[in-house]
Amino acid sequence: EVQLVQSGAEVKKPGESLRISCKGFGYTFTNFWIAWVRQMPGKGLECMGIIYPGDSDTRYSPSFQGQVTIAADNSINTAYLQWSRLKASDSAIYYCARVTSSYGDHCFDYWGQGTLVTVSS
Amino acid sequence: SSELTQGPAVSVALGQTVRITCQGDSLRNYYASWYQQKPGQAPLLVFFGKNNRPSGIPDRFSGSRSGNTASLTITGAQAEDETDYYCNSRDSSGNYVFGTGTKVTVL
Repeated sequence: EVQLVQSGAEVKKPGESLRISCKGFGYTFTNFWIAWVRQMPGKGLECMGIIYPGDSDTRYSPSFQGQVTIAADNSINTAYLQWSRLKASDSAIYYCARVTSSYGDHCFDYWGQGTLVTVSS
Repeated sequence: SSELTQGPAVSVALGQTVRITCQGDSLRNYYASWYQQKPGQAPLLVFFGKNNRPSGIPDRFSGSRSGNTASLTITGAQAEDETDYYCNSRDSSGNYVFGTGTKVTVL
């Protein structure tokens, strides 16, 4: 059974650093792109960027370029989303999702349970 | 444009049919995928591509595309279908973009 399991909720102060994780189970982790998706309180979904764990090819959506870093460690089937200096506006739920392509049709077929990040002084 | 625009809300009588639309230039080149999100839960893929429904998704969910508009149709809406729906596709740079979301109310 395919699963993406994310790390637990975090409470941080502005200016602190943070790394959250997403571990894949039940499939060959290096063969599928992983996306990170932000959902701010009461708002919609935003794709932050994607990473291909097989070669660490990473693509950032324009709004998030330079704001976060996406990485992966194939040895433990885990993708990461990290911030060097958090802001209050980074408070949100962050989801990871597996990207699947079937005959050229792309979708996010499996999702993690979400990680709530709260940034407050 | 890299935007995908959805109507904010739509209502449907129990057992009737409702169509949720998603507009954007990129949809002329790429099919959309559709996600259902219930409060406090992760999104769930309900339809993608030209004609793909994931295993376990009821066949009352279907998708289509015409020009720059993609649609998700729920035929015979049930009470449990009342929630938020998002489309997704790729823009001209290959970035994945979500629609603005539509809240479905089942009356």
